[in-house]
Amino acid sequence: DGGITQSPKYLFRKEGQNVTLSCEQNLNHDAMYWYRQDPGQGLRLIYYSQIVNDFQKGDIAEGYSVSREKKESFPLTVTSAQKNPTAFYLCASSKGSSSGANVLTFGAGSRLTVL
Amino acid sequence: GQQLNQSPQSMFIQEGEDVSMNCTSSSIFNTWLWYKQDPGEGPVLLIALYKAGELTSNGRLTAQFGITRKDSFLNISASIPSDVGIYFCAGRGTSYGKLTFGQGTILTVHP
Repeated sequence: DGGITQSPKYLFRKEGQNVTLSCEQNLNHDAMYWYRQDPGQGLRLIYYSQIVNDFQKGDIAEGYSVSREKKESFPLTVTSAQKNPTAFYLCASSKGSSSGANVLTFGAGSRLTVL
Repeated sequence: GQQLNQSPQSMFIQEGEDVSMNCTSSSIFNTWLWYKQDPGEGPVLLIALYKAGELTSNGRLTAQFGITRKDSFLNISASIPSDVGIYFCAGRGTSYGKLTFGQGTILTVHP
C-alpha cells in the first residue's frame, strides 16, 4: 500500500544538538511538506518542496533546514538554532499543482522532545 | 497572511448527538478540506470541497463550501465513540500548495 513513512516516531534530544526527521513517500507525489503541531494550535508550515532539488520556506522556517535530493524523500533537520523545538512534526505530500491535486496526505508524525 | 478561525475549540457530547463545527476565513478560498486526527497520529482527509455552495457527504459526515467562499461547515450525525479526535479545516486561496489550517476542534463523545 502506498503511503508516507515518518521516522522515528519518538525522539529525544539534548539542547544544542541537531536532529534529523525522516520522511519517505511511495505515492509518486511531486510535492512534500513539513508541518509543526503544538497543543491547541493548528498546523504551521515549516518548509515545502514542489519538485526535486527545490524547496521554499513556510511560515516558521527559522531554525530548520530541509533537502529534496530524491522525489520520495524530504528530511527535516531541527537545528540548535530552533529555540523551542519540542513539538509534533508532520510530513505530508500531494500530487501537483491543479486544484484537485493539492489534497495533502499525512504521515503518522514524529514527536520530538528536547531534554 | 490568511487567517482561519475554527469553532468551537472543543465539544463534549453524548453518543448519538449531532455535531456541527465551522471555519471562517478573512479571505476567499478556492478549496476547503476537512481532516480528522486521532491522538498521536497524522490527520486523515474526510471531505474535500472545490466549488462555492458545494455540499458533500461521507457517511455520517456532511460538509459545505460556503457561498461567500469564506467559510465552511462540517456536520457529524449520530455521533459514536470512535468520532473522538481533533477535526481540522484547511483552506487554499490563490497560492499553490499552501494550505492554511484552522486551530482544530477537539471532539469528545461520552458513551
